[in-house]
Amino acid sequence: QQQVRQSPQSLTVWEGETAILNCSYEDSTFNYFPWYQQFPGEGPALLISISSVSDKKEDGRFTIFFNKREKKLSLHITDSQPGDSATYFCAATNQGGSAKLIFGEGTKLTVSS
Amino acid sequence: AQTIHQWPVAEIKAVGSPLSLGCTIKGKSSPNLYWYWQATGGTLQQLFYSITVGQVESVVQLNLSASRPKDDQFILSTEKLLLSHSGFYLCAWSRGDNYAEQFFGPGTRLTVL
Repeated sequence: QQQVRQSPQSLTVWEGETAILNCSYEDSTFNYFPWYQQFPGEGPALLISISSVSDKKEDGRFTIFFNKREKKLSLHITDSQPGDSATYFCAATNQGGSAKLIFGEGTKLTVSS
Repeated sequence: AQTIHQWPVAEIKAVGSPLSLGCTIKGKSSPNLYWYWQATGGTLQQLFYSITVGQVESVVQLNLSASRPKDDQFILSTEKLLLSHSGFYLCAWSRGDNYAEQFFGPGTRLTVL
């Protein structure tokens, strides 16, 4: 049972465009959602995260939009750059519960110049 | 600054042989520690987490075991490798009060033949 789902599986955008990566979850106890960026052959790196008490979190070109009612969130990458080409993972946890972190399947982003 | 080191960088092992992978965190006292497994092109599956020395919680059963002999060290091992153990093993740490924001090591690539 996949508790965290991501779409699309892969995405290609042109340099300068906005990339939109989607994530949804099932467990209503999840209350904290980090996004990770992973380049081939490397460990993932924490990119940006949001708590369920917020509906938006912004950090430079990266913005998370969160809809608690629909159990959906999205990561927007504005002014996409070729260096943003990577796999992005949405994850979810019940902060304050156990230390389990559930990852989605990932979205592979390619930014073409 | 905190640094995380994993060893070895890569291993090629035979089915049925034993395995020991290691992880050390420097610059952070009493971190939460985590082991993950990632198939090629796949998602991250949390295997174990540890909140304190000597205590390890199993998240999934994959015929692997983990131990935390020191505050800054986390060991993953098995006595008998299976073909299905091949993949990318990642160690991560987090602050004690934030399970979601984890910081990953460079990983160990394991090939079981």
